[in-house]
Amino acid sequence: KAGVTQTPRYLIKTRGQQVTLSCSPISGHRSVSWYQQTPGQGLQFLFEYFSETQRNKGNFPGRFSGRQFSNSRSEMNVSTLELGDSALYLCASRGGLLGETQYFGPGTRLLVL
Amino acid sequence: AQSVTQPDIHITVSEGASLELRCNYSYGATPYLFWYVQSPGQGLQLLLKYFSGDTLVQGIKGFEAEFKRSQSSFNLRKPSVHWSDAAEYFCAVGEGAGNMLTFGGGTRLMVKP
Repeated sequence: KAGVTQTPRYLIKTRGQQVTLSCSPISGHRSVSWYQQTPGQGLQFLFEYFSETQRNKGNFPGRFSGRQFSNSRSEMNVSTLELGDSALYLCASRGGLLGETQYFGPGTRLLVL
Repeated sequence: AQSVTQPDIHITVSEGASLELRCNYSYGATPYLFWYVQSPGQGLQLLLKYFSGDTLVQGIKGFEAEFKRSQSSFNLRKPSVHWSDAAEYFCAVGEGAGNMLTFGGGTRLMVKP
């Protein structure tokens, strides 16, 4: 099976712009989670989608949003970018016997100038 | 709230030496525990997981980990380290099968020739 794929892999934006990142889960996985990774804050949970519904949300401002499509692909959007949004954004799809295991994609590295 | 502590930010070992990376968690019930590895510029690769059964779990690349409930620990071990093991290692805990992961701060492993 193909793994989790994320596009684009790298992005450069300027403050105030918005950005959309895309994630395709492993075939058959219906849950997609997003995490932000920064040197200062480490890995932090953003949100999770299951069957097109947001199931869980982390402690991030409303500028961070997401959605999931009927084919389980997910997008996350960050509006009004700030310098502090520069990070590696990781997407994971959920599998395993109980759906307990998250499998991660390669990430999208976002640089905000 | 659950939390994960990886006390060692950096560890350097010689190639061929044994390795133990420490992980302590805080969670009331039986947690779902994971170790992931991240190479520079890459996503997270699952090494192993524990959620029930035998407390010594085997993973990929020759890694193993032992769950010790009395010590709230899930330490990762490898008997003989290879230069290709140099990477950052993350311990994570899930509150339940379908819930988000909380990550430790990571341990960066360097391997001396």
